[in-house]
Order: sequence, then structure tokens, then C-alpha cells
Amino acid sequence: QSVLTQPPSASGTPGQKVTISCSGSSSNIGTNYVNWYQQLPGTAPKLLIYTNNQRPSGVPDRYSGSKSGASASLAISGLRSEDEADYYCATWDGSLNVLLFGGGTKLTVL
Amino acid sequence: EVQLVQSGGGLVQPGGSLRLSCAASGFTLSSYWIYWVRQAPGKGLVWVSRINGDGSVISHADSVKGRFSISRDSAKNTVYLQMNSLRAEDTAMYYCARDWTYLAFDIWGRGTMVTVSS
Repeated sequence: QSVLTQPPSASGTPGQKVTISCSGSSSNIGTNYVNWYQQLPGTAPKLLIYTNNQRPSGVPDRYSGSKSGASASLAISGLRSEDEADYYCATWDGSLNVLLFGGGTKLTVL
Repeated sequence: EVQLVQSGGGLVQPGGSLRLSCAASGFTLSSYWIYWVRQAPGKGLVWVSRINGDGSVISHADSVKGRFSISRDSAKNTVYLQMNSLRAEDTAMYYCARDWTYLAFDIWGRGTMVTVSS
């Protein structure tokens, strides 16, 4: 059971908008930045969103991040088949002094 | 090209040791924190160890404390993960990653598989 809670799966049809949640506590998401990663099958993770809502160069604006209190969300609009991947949130926990990853959400494009 | 090139890993018996390497190309490793993250087959990402730019600050996850150590060689622009007393539960793909800003890992190695089995 991860300290950061993500839904294990999510799905949508092409063109739809999907939102993936990441729930934590005051010692992690509540006080630190959240970063999001996309992991395509058989590959290393890729940085998708950093410091809650910023996109690295090259990441399409279809991806957006937000944070409120001890929860964060990743939204993907205009869903495409190539978005099918695992998505992870991550942040530091100041009480545990560890880097935390969410359990991951497997996104299926129907 | 800016990248992290990983080597090491393989099959080892329980109780054995392995050393993983993570060599930086296209940038100076000493300017960044480097993290090791592992992923057991079919499972999620888990932080293992980290080291700061000059090697003066190190920390490990509780699951590997006392068994794993992390170090860096500035001359070789390389970070190492020394893994001792390996257990079956250490079986995983191991990734090294660069902390670009606020724990955002912008560069990842391709990963190296470690299998602990008799």
C-alpha cells in the first residue's frame, strides 16, 4: 500500500479528457512539489509534469497538473492511443524523509 | 547528447553482491543529485538511494539500509550503487536518474536488471 494513493486504472476514448488523482498527506503533497511521470511499456519513466503544474520542454500542452491541499491531479485532454501508459506521481515526505511514488495508474485508451 | 548510461546488474545468488554504474554523458554529474529507483517486475517505482553533487549527503530507503551503499567518482563522472547481502526481494529493474529541480527527474538511465535467485 503506497503512502501516495493513485487509482490503479483509468480509461477513456480518443479525444476524451482523463484525470488521474494522487492523494497524500500534509507531510508530503501538502508541503512539497508534486512531479508526474509517464512510463511506456518496457521503457524508463519520462518526466511529464514538474513542480505541480509545469511542463518540460517537448511535453504537449494536452498534459496538465494541479495541486490542492494534500492531493494532486494529472489531466490528459484530447486522449490519443499513444497516451496508453503507466503514470506515477512523486513527491518528498518530510516526516519519513523519503522520496515517495504513487502506486501508479495504468491508462487504457479504448 | 545528455544521458545516463547504466551498466552492471545480472543474475546473482541470495547473499551475493553486485555493483551498478551510472555514467553521465553530456553534463557534469557533480552538479546534480543522483537517485536510484527500482521497479520489481509488474510493480511500481520505489526510491532506493540518493547522493548529492559532491557526495557529502547520502540517504537510503529503509529496505536497503546497511546493505546498499552509494558513491560517486568525479573523475569518471559516474555514480555507483554497491549492493551487498542481496535478497530475492531486491529483484528489480534499477534506474538511475538526475534530479533537475525539486526532485523532478529529467534524465533517466535505460535501467539495468538485477535478478537474485539460486
